[in-house]
Amino acid sequence: GENVEQHPSTLSVQEGDSAVIKCTYSDSASNYFPWYKQELGKRPQLIIDIRSNVGEKKDQRIAVTLNKTAKHFSLHITETQPEDSAVYFCAAPGDSSASKIIFGSGTRLSIRP
Amino acid sequence: DTGVSQNPRHKITKRGQNVTFRCDPISEHNRLYWYRQTLGQGPEFLTYFQNEAQLEKSRLLSDRFSAERPKGSFSTLEIQRTEQGDSAMYLCASSANGAGYNEQFFGPGTRLTVL
Repeated sequence: GENVEQHPSTLSVQEGDSAVIKCTYSDSASNYFPWYKQELGKRPQLIIDIRSNVGEKKDQRIAVTLNKTAKHFSLHITETQPEDSAVYFCAAPGDSSASKIIFGSGTRLSIRP
Repeated sequence: DTGVSQNPRHKITKRGQNVTFRCDPISEHNRLYWYRQTLGQGPEFLTYFQNEAQLEKSRLLSDRFSAERPKGSFSTLEIQRTEQGDSAMYLCASSANGAGYNEQFFGPGTRLTVL
């Protein structure tokens, strides 16, 4: 089955700087990679996703890159703001039937003022 | 509120008791998922429904856990003979049907505490 590794587990950056979170996956057939943000006490919410037919996707200050050869994908947040403080989870498909996704263990991002 | 809803939001029970949680997905979504999340971890897949059919169940799920979605709308998750290790946040999510993967929308979760 799929195995998703995420690092770092915690990340602290100065407000305005960039943050990068990296994930690796094991199943070379995986073709969908979502990122979820979970604020304290709140539900996880999708912030961006990428499918395997593209190598990069951007949405304002957030971007995700995918390297299928190396089986890793990364989340990039530029010009970080206090409201970016949260736990971020990467995920990858658990199988090919368009059902479950497997989440990484999360990165707690803290933005220092 | 047209999002995913879950009830109750909190449940405290004694070890050995049975508990049941309910999830109401977004109305037009026919895929429904249950996850368990413990502190400091990502959501862990438990089971998945497409309409009323339970298509997959995690091998990690003991036979004390059962889920239903009788009419393809709301779902229930029952835990029998609860154990302290069952204490966690139980999340429900739903997604639209269609080819490939679609965004999963999560509910607020039910926090279970087993004393």
